[in-house]
Order: sequence, then C-alpha cells, then structure tokens
Amino acid sequence: EVQVLESGGGLVQPGGSLRLSCAASGFPFSSYAMAWVRQAPGKGLEWLSAIYPSSDHTYYADSVKGRFTISRDNSKYTLYLQMNSLRAEDTAVYYCAKTLGVAATHPGYWGQGTLVTVSS
Amino acid sequence: QAVVIQEPSLTVSPGGTVTLTCGSSAGAVTSGHFPYWFQQKPGQAPRTLISDVSSKHPWTPARFSGSLLGGKAALTLSGAQPEDEADYYCLLSYFVGRPVFGGGTKLTVL
Repeated sequence: EVQVLESGGGLVQPGGSLRLSCAASGFPFSSYAMAWVRQAPGKGLEWLSAIYPSSDHTYYADSVKGRFTISRDNSKYTLYLQMNSLRAEDTAVYYCAKTLGVAATHPGYWGQGTLVTVSS
Repeated sequence: QAVVIQEPSLTVSPGGTVTLTCGSSAGAVTSGHFPYWFQQKPGQAPRTLISDVSSKHPWTPARFSGSLLGGKAALTLSGAQPEDEADYYCLLSYFVGRPVFGGGTKLTVL
C-alpha cells in the first residue's frame, strides 16, 4: 500500500526556518517524482514544488522560489522541504504527494499533511 | 500567470447529475494541460479522483467521470450521493513544472 507521511511541522517565528520530511513506503521511491502542496487555513490548494526521481529537475511556485528547497534521499525513501525566511502567509497545512510518473508534477497519492504556523 | 477558473459553488440533488468545469484565463483547456481533479472533504486530505483528463484511480467511484467540454476540463458526477458533498479542485499545467490549482468548487448535495 502506498503511504506518504509528513512530519516536521510546528510553530516558527517570522524569518525562521523549518524542514519538513515525508517518509514514503509501499512503492519504488526512486522511480517517481514527488511534490509538495499546501493549504492555508480556510483557503484552497496551492502547488509548491516538485522533484524528479534523480533530483536532476526541481520546480517551484513563484511564491516560494528562492526561499524553499525541495530535496530527496532515495536511500531513505524520504522527501524534504527546507523552508527559510518564513512569513505569516506561509502558515498552512503542507501535503507531500507521490506523483504518477517519472517526469510529473501533479499529486497522485497524498499524505495527511503537517501544519506549519508562522507567528511571533 | 494564467488563472484557473472553477465555479465557486454548485448544488445537486441526491441522485442527480452535475458537471463541474475548469477553465483557463489563457484560453481553451486541452489534454496538453494534463487536467487533474481532486476531492477534499472537511477535515481530510485531498485525494486524486481523475488524472490526465479522464483516467480514474482504483478508489474513484464509477459515478465520477472526466472529459474536455467546450474548451474546459469537466468533472461529471452522475447519481450524486450525500457522501459526494465536498470541495473539488482542478489542476492544470501551463509550462513544465508549473501547475496551477483552480480556486475550488464547493459541491452541496441537497
């Protein structure tokens, strides 16, 4: 069974940093692109970032480019999202998702999400 | 950046049929936008219903179908059930690695 489980969320001050992790299981992790999506409280979904299996291609939404970095460790079946220079508007539930292919950016299988709150 | 346009809200009667649409401010939606549809119920994570216009997943109820209709992506629900009440989002790709979500449609079954 495909599973992705996010962790690392919490309360952080504006300007601070946080690293989210996503532990994957049930599929050949190194064969699929992975993605991050977020949802601010009471708002819609926002696609953030994706990474191809060999980490040779990474993509970002304009809203996080230059502040967030996506990475993966295929040996650990883990996806990461390093978030720097956090702002109040980054407060959201962050979802990790397995895509449906190698060169893909759309979410296929979703995790349950982890809440990030940026506040002083 | 192009805007993905969805109906803010729709209502369908139990057992009825409803079509949700996904348009683009940049013009007609085609298969090259790789439209996906997602369902999100209150307090739950989203789940993917439809990928690449019309491909279903093992968990996608048979009453849901995807298509292209009049220059838009469409999600049709035939025989609505109370458990189909949810928010529905579409996602389109405009450039490689730059997908954009629509604002979502709140579907009420009443």
